[in-house]
Amino acid sequence: NAGVTQTPKFRILKIGQSMTLQCTQDMNHNYMYWYRQDPGMGLKLIYYSVGAGITDKGEVPNGYNVSRSTTEDFPLRLELAAPSQTSVYFCASTMGGEAFFGQGTRLTVV
Amino acid sequence: GIQVEQSPPDLILQEGANSTLRCNFSDSVNNLQWFHQNPWGQLINLFYIPSGTKQNGRLSATTVATERYSLLYISSSQTTDSGVYFCAASKAAGNKLTFGGGTRVLVKP
Repeated sequence: NAGVTQTPKFRILKIGQSMTLQCTQDMNHNYMYWYRQDPGMGLKLIYYSVGAGITDKGEVPNGYNVSRSTTEDFPLRLELAAPSQTSVYFCASTMGGEAFFGQGTRLTVV
Repeated sequence: GIQVEQSPPDLILQEGANSTLRCNFSDSVNNLQWFHQNPWGQLINLFYIPSGTKQNGRLSATTVATERYSLLYISSSQTTDSGVYFCAASKAAGNKLTFGGGTRVLVKP
């Protein structure tokens, strides 16, 4: 059982480039989340989804987009990368109780 | 939304020592979790504990929901316990978790 899988693990982007962070879960969880963690800080919610076809903004959504076409997948899109988006990104899922996190994607924008 | 505060922000322990980490939250919660972020950045689930007491080896946790706090106990600390401990809470089932600022623990040999 893989749990929550994120790809890639590391990425360096140039300012203005775009990319998609992938997140897949195999636990049939309804709820999925994207968080970012800046150095020395806690996690902040970017976007979340309560089920396929439904997404909503979290605390820090600017500069990001998401989609949820299937229960399993919840990709996070960065359209115009900025240095302020340098961070570690975590995806998580839950059925309503305990949440499980992926291993994170470390993104650097230069 | 719910506010989550953790204390102390930093903790230095000698190997073998015991310690208590605290998490205060501003509202009633449906979900309360403790995580350990290891030096490689991985978030490890320690406890799912919206109420009551649980134990797992040298670690245990207690949540007093009516008084809006949770405690994480580390006994006989080891160097591998070093890292950041996060508390996170949500008000409703499936609702977004709000994280505290973490407690950074360093266990010295």
